[in-house]
Amino acid sequence: SQTIHQWPATLVQPVGSPLSLECTVEGTSNPNLYWYRQAAGRGLQLLFYSIGIDQISSEVPQNLSASRPQDRQFILSSKKLLLSDSGFYLCAWSLLFGENTEAFFGQGTRLTVV
Amino acid sequence: TQLLEQSPQFLSIQEGENLTVYCNSSSVFSSLQWYRQEPGEGPVLLVTVVTGGEVKKLKRLTFQFGDARKDSSLHITAAQPGDTGLYLCAGGGASGGSYIPTFGRGTSLIVHP
Repeated sequence: SQTIHQWPATLVQPVGSPLSLECTVEGTSNPNLYWYRQAAGRGLQLLFYSIGIDQISSEVPQNLSASRPQDRQFILSSKKLLLSDSGFYLCAWSLLFGENTEAFFGQGTRLTVV
Repeated sequence: TQLLEQSPQFLSIQEGENLTVYCNSSSVFSSLQWYRQEPGEGPVLLVTVVTGGEVKKLKRLTFQFGDARKDSSLHITAAQPGDTGLYLCAGGGASGGSYIPTFGRGTSLIVHP
């Protein structure tokens, strides 16, 4: 069965510090991978998605970047965090078969920038 | 502008009551998913609907996809405290476009014992 791991679960970082959140998927090949951010328990904002190694699309211009160095690894990074980067970050994967876009999520990372 | 509009945004009810939440769009979707999310955790997929007019049941939850595949509803019968959470709808293939899942803002449900 497929599993997705995301870490860390919580993170408190000072303004101006770097960020690296990691996500890995097991049990599947060539997944589509996504990073979402969720504010205050509301809807999900798509930040980045990837359809393959080193193929990253950015949905929102911001202080963050994403990389996919391996098929099942997706990393969210920042060189210098801003206060506004605080939030709940979710990694997800999906497989495109037919027209179904079911997504499966990691447990999330609560990031607080202080 | 949100591609998927969910209503109501918040719902607070007593155990045993019935409720319906809605997910509406002006776009046609190839498929639509419903998720439930508990605080501090990732959303968990409940169901996918694909065919216009489709109805799916998951115990006390009934999901319906509109005939035109632009809207969906989730009906919960005899709600229980364990149903508390954020209900999110998501769709892909809007109007023949991208299959990247697009999420609504969610309905936050609290069921009081």
